[in-house]
Amino acid sequence: GQNIDQPTEMTATEGAIVQINCTYQTSGFNGLFWYQQHAGEAPTFLSYNVLDGLEEKGRFSSFLSRSKGYSYLLLKELQMKDSASYLCAPMDSNYQLIWGAGTKLIIKP
Amino acid sequence: GAVVSQHPSRVICKSGTSVKIECRSLDFQATTMFWYRQFPKQSLMLMATSNEGSKATYEQGVEKDKFLINHASLTLSTLTVTSAHPEDSSFYICSARGTADTEAFFGQGTRLTVV
Repeated sequence: GQNIDQPTEMTATEGAIVQINCTYQTSGFNGLFWYQQHAGEAPTFLSYNVLDGLEEKGRFSSFLSRSKGYSYLLLKELQMKDSASYLCAPMDSNYQLIWGAGTKLIIKP
Repeated sequence: GAVVSQHPSRVICKSGTSVKIECRSLDFQATTMFWYRQFPKQSLMLMATSNEGSKATYEQGVEKDKFLINHASLTLSTLTVTSAHPEDSSFYICSARGTADTEAFFGQGTRLTVV
């Protein structure tokens, strides 16, 4: 079957760094997306990894290891507005995104 | 990034009536559109996938006669919730994709409340 595993909730301090881990099992693999979703809003795109390694984009970086079925999203210099759910979504062999429940990130002052 | 516009953002309807939700890709051609439903504090649940000019492919457990999807052009897809009931109250989100290996862009979502 297809499965996504992320922590349900994480708490971090403003200005700090947090890493959100994701392990996945999919039928085939065509890359992995990270999305941010604020409560009551639609998800917004953060990153896309298809090759192993680290992709850096401003305060956010995303890492992928295809052999381990593992990815993480790294958020630096945390701001209060980063409080949201972060969704790891691998794409299977049919190019469909597989969604987990996401990780709710709480930022404290 | 590309823009996907979804309307309405909120709708309240009476039980037994039908509601139509529109999803438009404003600056790219969306060969594939996806419709999701999300209940509070739960993950996105894919309802159906539609390719322009073809019938939608529904996920298991989604009633195709209740949730009518039309994708008549490369920039517009509609979801019609027919004979809505209170249990259909949810957050409905569309996303659109140009080619298979690119990111999906999301609409703003529609909060449907059936009373």
